[in-house]
Amino acid sequence: DAKTTQPNSMESNEEEPVHLPCNHSTISGTDYIHWYRQLPSQGPEYVIHGLTSNVNNRMASLAIAEDRKSSTLILHRATLRDAAVYYCIRASQNEKLTFGTGTRLTIIP
Amino acid sequence: GAGVSQSPRYKVAKRGQDVALRCDPISGHVSLFWYQQALGQGPEFLTYFQNEAQLDKSGLPSDRFFAERPEGSVSTLKIQRTQQEDSAVYLCASSLISGTALITEAFFGQGTRLTVV
Repeated sequence: DAKTTQPNSMESNEEEPVHLPCNHSTISGTDYIHWYRQLPSQGPEYVIHGLTSNVNNRMASLAIAEDRKSSTLILHRATLRDAAVYYCIRASQNEKLTFGTGTRLTIIP
Repeated sequence: GAGVSQSPRYKVAKRGQDVALRCDPISGHVSLFWYQQALGQGPEFLTYFQNEAQLDKSGLPSDRFFAERPEGSVSTLKIQRTQQEDSAVYLCASSLISGTALITEAFFGQGTRLTVV
């Protein structure tokens, strides 16, 4: 039970922003939201995580809805190297990271 | 290297053969995880170590699967009497803090692709 819902696939033009949505309507107050991505033939790579407030790092931004039932991963300027499967993961205390099937992001040159 | 290293990268085994997959985590990382990833699917949790202690093995699919981390660093995932359904990529991850990587990132290796013929 991945406990999150993501679109199976999305496309975006190169050099434009990308907004990847995730629904986690049954989230509890102590659950974190993690995002990982997996490039072809690679292991998953950490992108960002957050609890309540919006988060920014060098890779992306994470916008968490006020009710925390959804979040959006924002890639500010997509490049071809951002083509990957993006996993949104709801992580509870003392639980392992449980991956779903993710969103396959295609970048169009 | 600074990352998680897994070996071999590829393994072909005949059905019924035993295999051993190795994971070298990042030095000093307390937590170590094994995941199994079938083609087209997300990674599925197998087992978790905190140092040398195996605290969660709830994801191991059968008693043919065994994992160890005897000195709290290198880990080995062993699969006995391999079956075709064991064909998958086996991923190892480590993180600095004990627990489930809840408050820090987990670092994954490139995985070992096991094909059972």
